[in-house]
Amino acid sequence: DAKTTQPPSMDCAEGRAANLPCNHSTISGNEYVYWYRQIHSQGPQYIIHGLKNNETNEMASLIITEDRKSSTLILPHATLRDTAVYYCIVRVAGGSGATNKLIFGTGTLLAVQP
Amino acid sequence: GAVVSQHPSRVICKSGTSVKIECRSLDFQATTMFWYRQFPKQSLMLMATSNEGSKATYEQGVEKDKFLINHASLTLSTLTVTSAHPEDSSFYICSARWGGRGVTEAFFGQGTRLTVV
Repeated sequence: DAKTTQPPSMDCAEGRAANLPCNHSTISGNEYVYWYRQIHSQGPQYIIHGLKNNETNEMASLIITEDRKSSTLILPHATLRDTAVYYCIVRVAGGSGATNKLIFGTGTLLAVQP
Repeated sequence: GAVVSQHPSRVICKSGTSVKIECRSLDFQATTMFWYRQFPKQSLMLMATSNEGSKATYEQGVEKDKFLINHASLTLSTLTVTSAHPEDSSFYICSARWGGRGVTEAFFGQGTRLTVV
């Protein structure tokens, strides 16, 4: 799996958009970009994933650059409950168990300030 | 999203005893399950991958005789920490994935806090 680079921490004001960047310059053509978050002392929560098109769901939007070497997760209106560590992971989708394992980096600690 | 349940959420055991942690997929069949360990202020570390009915594949450096993984059914996987020691105290998290065609994300349990005294 390709490695990702994320800033260790970010602050965001409550109610404002939170934009979390991720670099994945060595991503392969068949690798997807996944985002998970982990609120303190809980298991990770799936947020969104994409291949090359921008994606949006009820939680967030994912913007992937045209060359796919980086992406941005956008939380449109951050709340205090969005304070968590956000992980950007790239991996092959489908296939056998071994190729589907999620390898977590250090992630970005997003602190939403009141 | 799909629900993955872990039990127990917290366990305290004496050094030298064994502890079993259960991971269940409640509303889908999990052909693949993953077990992670997380120490304080660190990221999740993958321990092993298991496919239903097969032996688990352990990551490098993880002792398979100490961390026994059983994935006997499509909805249940267990991790047994044998002869636990204080250094095994950690947050253990399971993840389950449906093995259908196409893109399928993995869902995580709420984690088990193990304290060995």
